[in-house]
Amino acid sequence: TQLLEQSPQFLSIQEGENLTVYCNSSSVFSSLQWYRQEPGEGPVLLVTVVTGGEVKKLKRLTFQFGDARKDSSLHITAAQPGDTGLYLCAGVMDSNYQLIWGAGTKLIIKP
Amino acid sequence: EAGVAQSPRYKIIEKRQSVAFWCNPISGHATLYWYQQILGQGPKLLIQFQNNGVVDDSQLPKDRFSAERLKGVDSTLKIQPAKLEDSAVYLCASSLIGFNYGYTFGSGTRLTVV
Repeated sequence: TQLLEQSPQFLSIQEGENLTVYCNSSSVFSSLQWYRQEPGEGPVLLVTVVTGGEVKKLKRLTFQFGDARKDSSLHITAAQPGDTGLYLCAGVMDSNYQLIWGAGTKLIIKP
Repeated sequence: EAGVAQSPRYKIIEKRQSVAFWCNPISGHATLYWYQQILGQGPKLLIQFQNNGVVDDSQLPKDRFSAERLKGVDSTLKIQPAKLEDSAVYLCASSLIGFNYGYTFGSGTRLTVV
């Protein structure tokens, strides 16, 4: 059973379009992290969200933590080919402080 | 700041052979993790160390996998004997102590078992 569901699993869009990636669970998280992984490299931390309802912006990327701390979203505005990669969310469970990983969203931005 | 160093980057071995991976974490990071990542999937935790003690090794296949972190710094992960299904990328990560600190990952070792 996947405790953190990421959707979509795969997304291929044209440069300049907007997109949103989702990370959902029935469990409550004390914090949630988003990573981007490029082929042949390890994941790189983009952001950590801690407070329910929190919104963080990183240039064209907007991260939101759900009010109930069970879900999160990543919105990319005007996507660029450099945004291509595997986007992973990982949540620290409120109940036992375990870090749970989603399976990732593979994003391809075509020039 | 230097990142997490891992070696080797690539390894090809035959099944039933043994292999070892090495990791040097970021200086000052007390927590070190070994993850297995199969192509197209998220990382799966194998073992977590805090300093030189094991915090979580519940998903480590102990009949064939072993790991150590002597002196609380470098770590090695060994597989003996390897199976075909062990083909994956083995990632090392380190972090400060605390549940809300993000992890810094190394570039990983891509293992192919033939």
